[in-house]
Amino acid sequence: GAGVSQSPRYKVAKRGQDVALRCDPISGHVSLFWYQQALGQGPEFLTYFQNEAQLDKSGLPSDRFFAERPEGSVSTLKIQRTQQEDSAVYLCASSELGGGAQYFGPGTRLLVL
Amino acid sequence: KQEVTQIPAALSVPEGENLVLNCSFTDSAIYNLQWFRQDPGKGLTSLLLIQSSQREQTSGRLNASLDKSSGRSTLYIAASQPGDSATYLCADSGSARQLTFGSGTQLTVLP
Repeated sequence: GAGVSQSPRYKVAKRGQDVALRCDPISGHVSLFWYQQALGQGPEFLTYFQNEAQLDKSGLPSDRFFAERPEGSVSTLKIQRTQQEDSAVYLCASSELGGGAQYFGPGTRLLVL
Repeated sequence: KQEVTQIPAALSVPEGENLVLNCSFTDSAIYNLQWFRQDPGKGLTSLLLIQSSQREQTSGRLNASLDKSSGRSTLYIAASQPGDSATYLCADSGSARQLTFGSGTQLTVLP
């Protein structure tokens, strides 16, 4: 594809609701990353996939956060029982290989009320 | 743990001025250093990537340098334009591959 795409672009959830955020990486990119960006801050790492393997999930803030990439392409970040502190922009990035230039999607802006 | 700092947090300059944005990092064992631009409400656009073996990269009016020994990178923007107004973020990729970001410098170029 032309670039990394993410959906939905905006999501409003009630506290306690489950949400699922989707990322379509650049075609052929092996590596996929999820980041969380709070207002006025730089993105912070959540998790990393190489193909379908989740190699690093050390940045996930709690066990309510879960990510998958079952076929090594599209990835989904799921947040269970959302809390107000989960409100942020969730960014997805892909690269040809781990360590190469990362290309970011437009992000999903999540607001938990 | 790698820490990345960007100073200043905000910068306002008149159109046409040359400017330098600073980025410092605590761990010199970086894999590469990447500069991004972020417009309000948008994702990140990659500007330049400097590999650890390189000292600088250039693209148009942009030049990024890397000094691992001092733990610093700079982004030089020549002949700034109002369209350059955005937040500029630097990020280090260590051996773990994920990027560690600074908090960014919000640049405003006044017409």
